[in-house]
This record gives sequence, structure tokens and C-alpha cells, in this order.
Amino acid sequence: DVKVTQSSRYLVKRTGEKVFLECVQDMDHENMFWYRQDPGLGLRLIYFSYDVKMKEKGDIPEGYSVSREKKERFSLILESASTNQTSMYLCASSYGRNKNTEAFFGQGTRLTVV
Amino acid sequence: DQQVKQNSPSLSVQEGRISILNCDYTNSMFDYFLWYKKYPAEGPTFLISISSIKDKNEDGRFTVFLNKSAKHLSLHIVPSQPGDSAVYFCAAFKEGDYKLSFGAGTTVTVRA
Repeated sequence: DVKVTQSSRYLVKRTGEKVFLECVQDMDHENMFWYRQDPGLGLRLIYFSYDVKMKEKGDIPEGYSVSREKKERFSLILESASTNQTSMYLCASSYGRNKNTEAFFGQGTRLTVV
Repeated sequence: DQQVKQNSPSLSVQEGRISILNCDYTNSMFDYFLWYKKYPAEGPTFLISISSIKDKNEDGRFTVFLNKSAKHLSLHIVPSQPGDSAVYFCAAFKEGDYKLSFGAGTTVTVRA
């Protein structure tokens, strides 16, 4: 079974703090993604990576950065947390590119910025 | 600009009856469509998918129908069970692309 593990289930951070969200997958997947889920908006893609050290902006990258130093690990960084970044953050991974690439998700991190 | 739309935010259905979830899309280049199910405090899990070259795919109680001319797909759950109560997301992607585009989700509640 594919396992995607996010380091924290719940986080509370202060405005202006630098926040790191970590994600690890154990299936040797090439692709990794960070989404945020907000009511009425569904899942929106923040950043994705198709290879080590490669990254691409998604639909809402502003205020975020990412790091992929190893194939199994993909980190999301909030450079200076703001209250509008309070959300559920979901990491996902998938295999390959020219396939019906089902994405596997982690359990999510509920981030509250106060 | 949301390319995948789920216009019904919620659906309530009696146990044993059919649940029908709808999804519309605007990008005619999408090659695959997927449905994900999400329980509270958990990540989404893959449910069923369909290729754009097909018009129906069935897996147990779950059937997905695709109408390409209308850019519309639907998920049928028959019979609905209490454990089906969850948020359902429709998603789509274009082969050769990396990312999935998701709809806003439909919350299904199955009443006993």
C-alpha cells in the first residue's frame, strides 16, 4: 500500500512565523504535490514537483515555497504565515506522467494561523 | 478559473437509495476523470476513474458516466450506505500533464 505521511495533523502558528510542512512518501513516486482545501473551493494546487530539485508553481503559489532535496520528501514552506493561510493542507504523490496517474494523499495538516 | 465544477455542495439520500453526484468541466482536453472520497480529518482516497474514450465505468456499487459532448460526468452509488457519507471530489487531468484539477466537492449524507 502506498503511504503518504504528513508530519503534523494539527498546527497552530503565529502571524509572521516561518512554517514548515513536511511530507514523505514510500512508493518511489516521481511526482509530489501540495494542495490546500478550503470550504466551497475544493482542492487547489499550490506547488508540485516531478523530480528531485524540480518544482513548478500551481494555481496559488503566492506566499509559499517548496523544497525537494530527496525523492521521497517534499516540504511546503510558508515564508511569513498570515491568517489567510489558515487551511487544511494536503500532500499527494503519483507515479509517472503519461498514465492514468491516480494521486495518493496524506492525512492532511490542519494549520491555524493566529 | 475553475475548470472542474461541482454545483451541488450537498446531497442527502436515504440508505438503500441511489446517490447521483454531478460534475461539469470546461477543458475539452482532459483525458481522465477521477472521483475521490474524503472523510473528515483524513486525506482524499481514490474511488473510481474513467478515460475520455469511454462513457461508463463500473466498480461494485459505484458507476461513473461520462458525456463528452456535454462535458459532464456523474457518479452513481447504488445502494447508498451510511459509510458512504463523505465529501466527494471530482477531478480531471490531461495526459502528459502533472496535475489534477479538482471540483469544490459534494458532501453526501446517507440517512438511516
